[in-house]
Amino acid sequence: GQQLNQSPQSMFIQEGEDVSMNCTSSSIFNTWLWYKQDPGEGPVLLIALYKAGELTSNGRLTAQFGITRKDSFLNISASIPSDVGIYFCAGRGIQGAQKLVFGQGTRLTINP
Amino acid sequence: DTAVSQTPKYLVTQMGNDKSIKCEQNLGHDTMYWYKQDSKKFLKIMFSYNNKELIINETVPNRFSPKSPDKAHLNLHINSLELGDSAVYFCASSLNSGRRNEKLFFGSGTQLSVL
Repeated sequence: GQQLNQSPQSMFIQEGEDVSMNCTSSSIFNTWLWYKQDPGEGPVLLIALYKAGELTSNGRLTAQFGITRKDSFLNISASIPSDVGIYFCAGRGIQGAQKLVFGQGTRLTINP
Repeated sequence: DTAVSQTPKYLVTQMGNDKSIKCEQNLGHDTMYWYKQDSKKFLKIMFSYNNKELIINETVPNRFSPKSPDKAHLNLHINSLELGDSAVYFCASSLNSGRRNEKLFFGSGTQLSVL
């Protein structure tokens, strides 16, 4: 089945630093989504990507759909304390269009 | 107004009991889902219903039975609860299924603890 490998699993950074995380898949995807989960809450959609090469921003967040269609990355610039949480990539492959597969998550911790 | 709401938020119960989790969405979406998040935060789909019809049924023990009385509701009933069922269960919805640009909207989760 489709699998996603998300890295890093955790990050410890200083406030103000930039953050980068990525996801790779074992097969071609036609949709990439990035979610953030705060403690005790459900994942919230940050950015959605639908075309290879697409680069989309949402405030200080920027995500890209890789040219090979097997990867995506998320960057956060000038991190602030409220960026703390778990970030998930999710993708939908060419086959099994109804099922969204999630990465293992990247836990972001920020030291003030 | 909460878009996807699930109850209860916390559920603590004894092994062997039967329990239900309810989910409702007011987004007018056709498709609803149940996801399980384990202690390592891995999210795995369990079921998906499109307009009350089951369309995804992952390898889940048949002790888990989803029920969709209408397209705005998807409840999850669990029989004979086991210790390994302890997890956070998320309900989600999307406009509809089978379209690659569908986005999932999640509820805030139900933390199930089986003692």
